[in-house]
Amino acid sequence: KAGVTQTPRYLIKTRGQQVTLSCSPISGHRSVSWYQQTPGQGLQFLFEYFSETQRNKGNFPGRFSGRQFSNSRSEMNVSTLELGDSALYLCASSPSSGGGLYNEQFFGPGTRLTVL
Amino acid sequence: AQSVTQLDSQVPVFEEAPVELRCNYSSSVSVYLFWYVQYPNQGLQLLLKYLSGSTLVKGINGFEAEFNKSQTSFHLRKPSVHISDTAEYFCAVRRIFAAGNKLTFGGGTRVLVKP
Repeated sequence: KAGVTQTPRYLIKTRGQQVTLSCSPISGHRSVSWYQQTPGQGLQFLFEYFSETQRNKGNFPGRFSGRQFSNSRSEMNVSTLELGDSALYLCASSPSSGGGLYNEQFFGPGTRLTVL
Repeated sequence: AQSVTQLDSQVPVFEEAPVELRCNYSSSVSVYLFWYVQYPNQGLQLLLKYLSGSTLVKGINGFEAEFNKSQTSFHLRKPSVHISDTAEYFCAVRRIFAAGNKLTFGGGTRVLVKP
């Protein structure tokens, strides 16, 4: 089975622009979670989508948004980019979501976003 | 809310020496516990997990961890490290009866294995 795919792998934007990142989960997985990784704040949860519905949201401003399509692929969007948005954005896919069951999460390689 | 503290930000260690990475967590509810490894320019890979049962869990690449409920700790150990173990290691928790899969991570421990 192919792993989690994230595109693009690297991205350079300037302040004020917007950006869209894409994540293709493992075939058959219905949950996609997004995380932001920075040297200062570490790994922080952004949001999770399950069956096209946002399941959970982390403590990020409204400039960060996401969606999930019927094929479980997910996109996240960041509008009005700030320098502090420079980070590695990781997505993780899982067969299902919560419910007292263990659902292993498989991480993609990440998209490194640099905001100039 | 949950929080995870990794007590060492960096751990230098010589090849073939043992290593222990410390992790403490705080949670008012029951959690699953995980250790992930991140190699340069890569995503996270699951090393091992504690779900229930035996408090000593074994993972990939010769790593093991021990869950201590009274001390709310989940320390990671390897008896003999290799150069290839140079990476960053993250401890994480997830609420067992959560509505989703959200992981809460510690700050990470960079392991540098020296020849």
